[in-house]
Amino acid sequence: KAGVTQTPRYLIKTRGQQVTLSCSPISGHRSVSWYQQTPGQGLQFLFEYFSETQRNKGNFPGRFSGRQFSNSRSEMNVSTLELGDSALYLCASSLGLAGGLYNEQFFGPGTRLTVL
Amino acid sequence: AQTVTQSQPEMSVQEAETVTLSCTYDTSESDYYLFWYKQPPSRQMILVIRQEAYKQQNATENRFSVNFQKAAKSFSLKISDSQLGDAAMYFCAYRSSGSTGRRALTFGSGTRLQVQP
Repeated sequence: KAGVTQTPRYLIKTRGQQVTLSCSPISGHRSVSWYQQTPGQGLQFLFEYFSETQRNKGNFPGRFSGRQFSNSRSEMNVSTLELGDSALYLCASSLGLAGGLYNEQFFGPGTRLTVL
Repeated sequence: AQTVTQSQPEMSVQEAETVTLSCTYDTSESDYYLFWYKQPPSRQMILVIRQEAYKQQNATENRFSVNFQKAAKSFSLKISDSQLGDAAMYFCAYRSSGSTGRRALTFGSGTRLQVQP
């Protein structure tokens, strides 16, 4: 079974631009969560989607948004990019909502976003 | 809010030796889960081991085991017979049981493990 895939793997943007990252979960998984990883702030939760609905949200400004499609694929969008948005963005999928011990989250390889 | 603390930014171990990575957490919840994730240079986060808070028995997965001390809010990872492939960043993570709606993982700052041949 194919793992979680994220595209693109690397991205370079300039301040003020917007960006869209994509995540394809493992087949059959319906929940997708997004995390931001930076050297300064570490790993921080962005949001979780399940059945095309945002179910959980972290403490990020409204410039960060996401959506999930009927095939469970998810996209996250960052508008008006700032230098501080440079990070590794990780996507994780799970069968259902991430509430049970064995409802494990499987992570993708991440998208490295650099904002110049 | 829950917090997870890893006080060892870097650790080093000789191949075939044993190493213990420390993790403490703070929570007011009684039901939760704890995890150790490994992130090698490829950046792919891999689940190493998991522990349910209500289980007193420490989890074990092959060469990996934990020492879970609920009262002390401590969750350390022991790696036995260390191998070169164990070199990676290790993250301790906390997750609520889900009953409160808070299901996101809260990660520690990580411990970089080097394995010396």
